[in-house]
Amino acid sequence: GAGVSQTPSNKVTEKGKYVELRCDPISGHTALYWYRQSLGQGPEFLIYFQGTGAADDSGLPNDRFFAVRPEGSVSTLKIQRTERGDSAVYLCASSLGAKNSPLHFGNGTRLTVT
Amino acid sequence: AQSVAQPEDQVNVAEGNPLTVKCTYSVSGNPYLFWYVQYPNRGLQFLLKYITGDNLVKGSYGFEAEFNKSQTSFHLKKPSALVSDSALYFCAVRDGNTDKLIFGTGTRLQVFP
Repeated sequence: GAGVSQTPSNKVTEKGKYVELRCDPISGHTALYWYRQSLGQGPEFLIYFQGTGAADDSGLPNDRFFAVRPEGSVSTLKIQRTERGDSAVYLCASSLGAKNSPLHFGNGTRLTVT
Repeated sequence: AQSVAQPEDQVNVAEGNPLTVKCTYSVSGNPYLFWYVQYPNRGLQFLLKYITGDNLVKGSYGFEAEFNKSQTSFHLKKPSALVSDSALYFCAVRDGNTDKLIFGTGTRLQVFP
C-alpha cells in the first residue's frame, strides 16, 4: 500500500519568507509526527497529533513554527519568517497510535533557507 | 523524561563477522524500544521493536536486538554482517507516560568487504 508522502521533496526559500510543508499519512493511521533532522544528527521531535489535535507540541522550537491537521489525516507544518538555522530535512511519520506501534516515515522535505 | 544514548558514532566490522550497535535508555515505567535504519538520502525504515517479555527480538534483514532490563540496554545485533548493511542506525524510546518517540544520535555502521 501507499506509504507516507511528503511534499515538496525539496524547498528553497529566502530568509524571512513563509513556507508550508505537507504530509499525507498512511490511510487509517491516527497518529502523526513531525521531526527535524540536521546532517549527521538524529531526528529531533517537533510535534505529535492524535487525530485532529496536537497531543504534544513540546518540540516546536519557537512560535514561528506551527502545525495543523484539520481533518485528522493530512498535516501541514508551517514556518513563518524563516531563518537560515531552519535549514534541515523535515520528516513526517504516522502510526496506528498504540505505544508499541512503530512509526512509518516519509522521505522528508529538505528545506534550504538562503 | 525519557532519553536514549548511542555511545558509538561509528562501528566498523568486516563482512561475515558479527556486529553489535549499542543503545541504552532511561524511561519512567515500561520502555517501548525501537530500531530504525537510514540509507543515504532515504527516510528512516523500521527494523524491529521490543516486545514485553522477550529478551531477544528478531527483526528485518536478519537483525535482532537484545533487551537487558538491569543494564537498561537494547543493543542491535546481527550474526553475520553484509556490506549492504552499511547505513546509519537509530535507537528510539517511548516511555509509558508519553507518546513522544525520542531518537538517539545515531551510529554509522560500516561493513568492509
